[in-house]
Amino acid sequence: GAVVSQHPSWVICKSGTSVKIECRSLDFQATTMFWYRQFPKQSLMLMATSNEGSKATYEQGVEKDKFLINHASLTLSTLTVTSAHPEDSSFYICSAPRGGRYNEQFFGPGTRLTVL
Amino acid sequence: DAKTTQPPSMDCAEGRAANLPCNHSTISGNEYVYWYRQIHSQGPQYIIHGLKNNETNEMASLIITEDRKSSTLILPHATLRDTAVYYCIVRVEGGGGNKLTFGTGTQLKVEL
Repeated sequence: GAVVSQHPSWVICKSGTSVKIECRSLDFQATTMFWYRQFPKQSLMLMATSNEGSKATYEQGVEKDKFLINHASLTLSTLTVTSAHPEDSSFYICSAPRGGRYNEQFFGPGTRLTVL
Repeated sequence: DAKTTQPPSMDCAEGRAANLPCNHSTISGNEYVYWYRQIHSQGPQYIIHGLKNNETNEMASLIITEDRKSSTLILPHATLRDTAVYYCIVRVEGGGGNKLTFGTGTQLKVEL
C-alpha cells in the first residue's frame, strides 16, 4: 500500500519556539495533503488542507499565522507551529490521497508535540 | 457528508468475530461508507469501504443494509492487535475535497 511518512515522530520544545513537522508521500505524488490534530482521548480534527503550489485552506478556528503550511513539492508538505505554547501540545497527523478511482487517503504515523 | 453514530466502546474475545455497527440514516445515494481504525498513538489505517453491496478484503467484511442506513464492520477472527478505535465515515467517493470528518468512533478492546 501507499506510504506516508512524518518527521519527527516526536518533539519536545520550549514555549515560544517554532517547530516544523514534515509530511512526505513516499511512493506517490500528492497535490493535496491534509493536516489533523488530535488531543488525548479525542478524535482527529482537520486543521487545514495543504495544496501544492498554492495557499493552504484552513478550517474555521485554526489560526493560519500560527500554523504555517508549505506544500513546495508533490511529495512534501510541512506544518510549522510558530511560537508554540503548552496548549499546542498534541498529536499532529497528516494524510494524502493517492488518486485514481477511489482516491483513498493514507495517513502518516503522526508527530507527538510537547511544549514545555 | 452524512453524520454517523457508533457505540463508544465494545469488547471482544480473541479469536471471536468482532461486529462493529454504524448508523448513517441520512446517507445520500452517492455516498460511500468508509471504515478506518487507529491503533493507539498511530495514524489512522484504511480498512474497507463500500456503496451498497457487501464487501470483503483481507482485513474485514463490510455489511451494508439494503436501505443503506446502517452498516456493520466484521473482523472475523479478532486478535489483540485489533484493539483500536474504529471510525465509520460516510462521504462521496474520490471527490468532495477528499477531506475526512472523524466522529468519536468505537473503542474496540480485544481480550484473551
